[in-house]
Amino acid sequence: GQQVMQIPQYQHVQEGEDFTTYCNSSTTLSNIQWYKQRPGGHPVFLIQLVKSGEVKKQKRLTFQFGEAKKNSSLHITATQTTDVGTYFCAGRSGGSNYKLTFGKGTLLTVNP
Amino acid sequence: DAGITQSPRHKVTETGTPVTLRCHQTENHRYMYWYRQDPGHGLRLIHYSYGVKDTDKGEVSDGYSVSRSKTEDFLLTLESATSSQTSVYFCAIKGLGADTQYFGPGTRLTVL
Repeated sequence: GQQVMQIPQYQHVQEGEDFTTYCNSSTTLSNIQWYKQRPGGHPVFLIQLVKSGEVKKQKRLTFQFGEAKKNSSLHITATQTTDVGTYFCAGRSGGSNYKLTFGKGTLLTVNP
Repeated sequence: DAGITQSPRHKVTETGTPVTLRCHQTENHRYMYWYRQDPGHGLRLIHYSYGVKDTDKGEVSDGYSVSRSKTEDFLLTLESATSSQTSVYFCAIKGLGADTQYFGPGTRLTVL
């Protein structure tokens, strides 16, 4: 079945440093989504990418979808303590009845 | 949030006992999902529903059953709980016109 790999598993940064997490799928995706989960909370939707090569920005967050629609990245510029949490990517292959396959997530911790 | 509640929020039970978790939505959405979240495994799909009385298995469905007799309620049952089912369980709904999923607050289940 479809597999979504996400790296790194953990990342610790000093406040102000940049952060990137990468997501790779074993199959071509119809779209990819990113979620954030604060410690003790539930996953919250951040963004969806649909088009090959798409780049979207949300303030300090930049999301990219690869040309082959099999990989994606999330980059945070100048991290803040409010960025702490686990970031998940989730992809759907065509015809999968709206089931998403989630990556295992990257836990980001930020030292103030 | 998207009008999703889960009950109970916390439960401790003993091996071999039946357990039912409830997910309730007020959004009248067709698709509902049950995930479990464990350290090192991310979010894994247990079962999902694409309408009243229409359900299907996810990647980790063994030991679990579901029912959906009304649009707003999706029940997850552990017929005979085992310690390996100790986990945090999240319910989610799919938003309209997109693959975006909105998660409930989660249920922390401990099986002793």
